[in-house]
Amino acid sequence: GQQVMQIPQYQHVQEGEDFTTYCNSSTTLSNIQWYKQRPGGHPVFLIQLVKSGEVKKQKRLTFQFGEAKKNSSLHITATQTTDVGTYFCAGPWRSSGTYKYIFGTGTRLKVLA
Amino acid sequence: DTAVSQTPKYLVTQMGNDKSIKCEQNLGHDTMYWYKQDSKKFLKIMFSYNNKELIINETVPNRFSPKSPDKAHLNLHINSLELGDSAVYFCASSQGYTGLAFSGANVLTFGAGSRLTVL
Repeated sequence: GQQVMQIPQYQHVQEGEDFTTYCNSSTTLSNIQWYKQRPGGHPVFLIQLVKSGEVKKQKRLTFQFGEAKKNSSLHITATQTTDVGTYFCAGPWRSSGTYKYIFGTGTRLKVLA
Repeated sequence: DTAVSQTPKYLVTQMGNDKSIKCEQNLGHDTMYWYKQDSKKFLKIMFSYNNKELIINETVPNRFSPKSPDKAHLNLHINSLELGDSAVYFCASSQGYTGLAFSGANVLTFGAGSRLTVL
């Protein structure tokens, strides 16, 4: 079955430092989504990437979709304490005539003030 | 007005009991899901319904039975609870389930979660 791995599993950074999480799929993806889950909260959609090599920015967050559409990254510039949480990528996998979104293993980010 | 609401938020029960979690969405979405998040934060899909029809049924024990009375509601009933069932269960919805590249229909909106603790 499809596997979506993320690295690192955990990351502790000092406030103001940059942070990157990487997402790797075992299969080519038609699109990839990113979600953020705050501690004690629920996953919240951040963005969807669809084109090979696509780069999208949301303020301090930069999302990239790989040329082969099998990997993606999320980079946060100058982290703030509000960035704390677990970041998930998710990709669609076709199964029995329908699609389901497989979530990556997640990267837990802690920001030290 | 909460888009996807789940009840109860917390559930503490003994092994062997039966429990239910309810979910409702007011987004007008056609597709609803149950995801399980374990203590390591892994999110795994369990079931998906589209317009009341079951479309995804992962390898989940028969003790778990979803039910969708209408497209705005998806409930999860669990029989004979086991210690390993302890987790956070998230309900989610999306406009559709095409998985197509340019479709915004795939975006998932999650409920706040129901934390189940089996003693």
